[in-house]
Amino acid sequence: GQNIDQPTEMTATEGAIVQINCTYQTSGFNGLFWYQQHAGEAPTFLSYNVLDGLEEKGRFSSFLSRSKGYSYLLLKELQMKDSASYLCAVRDRLDSSYKLIFGSGTRLLVRP
Amino acid sequence: ETGVTQSPTHLIKTRGQQVTLRCSSQSGHNTVSWYQQALGQGPQFIFQYYREEENGRGNFPPRFSGLQFPNYSSELNVNALELDDSALYLCASSLVFGTSGGNEQYFGPGTRLTVT
Repeated sequence: GQNIDQPTEMTATEGAIVQINCTYQTSGFNGLFWYQQHAGEAPTFLSYNVLDGLEEKGRFSSFLSRSKGYSYLLLKELQMKDSASYLCAVRDRLDSSYKLIFGSGTRLLVRP
Repeated sequence: ETGVTQSPTHLIKTRGQQVTLRCSSQSGHNTVSWYQQALGQGPQFIFQYYREEENGRGNFPPRFSGLQFPNYSSELNVNALELDDSALYLCASSLVFGTSGGNEQYFGPGTRLTVT
């Protein structure tokens, strides 16, 4: 089956670091994405991992371990505007193409 | 701004009615995917269109159907609306997603559908 798990909610303090974990089980794994979604808005792309290891992009980093079915998104120097939902999504094989399977999202609240 | 547009922004329909939602892809993108996002949940894959053909489908009944046009714009049609169809409907465009390129899908702002 296909399953993606991530925490429902997290709270952190402005200026701090937060790590959002994601575990997954899929049959045709072909990459893992992280998206940010503010309330009432569309998801926006943050990062993509297809090989094991860490991808760094400014204040955001994402890590993947394919053997463990595990990823995390690391947010540094948190800002108030980082309060949003963070969606972990796996690209999975679908017949002749691919589809994205999303987790339920982690709501991050950044406090002053 | 991703360059992907959707219309209408909001829509209220009655159970049993039919609805058509529209999406214009980002320029140059030939693949479009549709997702349903219930409140507090992640997006659920409905189907994907590539070069005007359905190119993959999630676990949605046949009353969910779609079209892609030569200019790569797309429609999502839902017949016999049910209360559980109330959700945010997102389209996402990409360039040949998952094959030779197109690692990223660009999402539109969504259409909020309420079924009463």
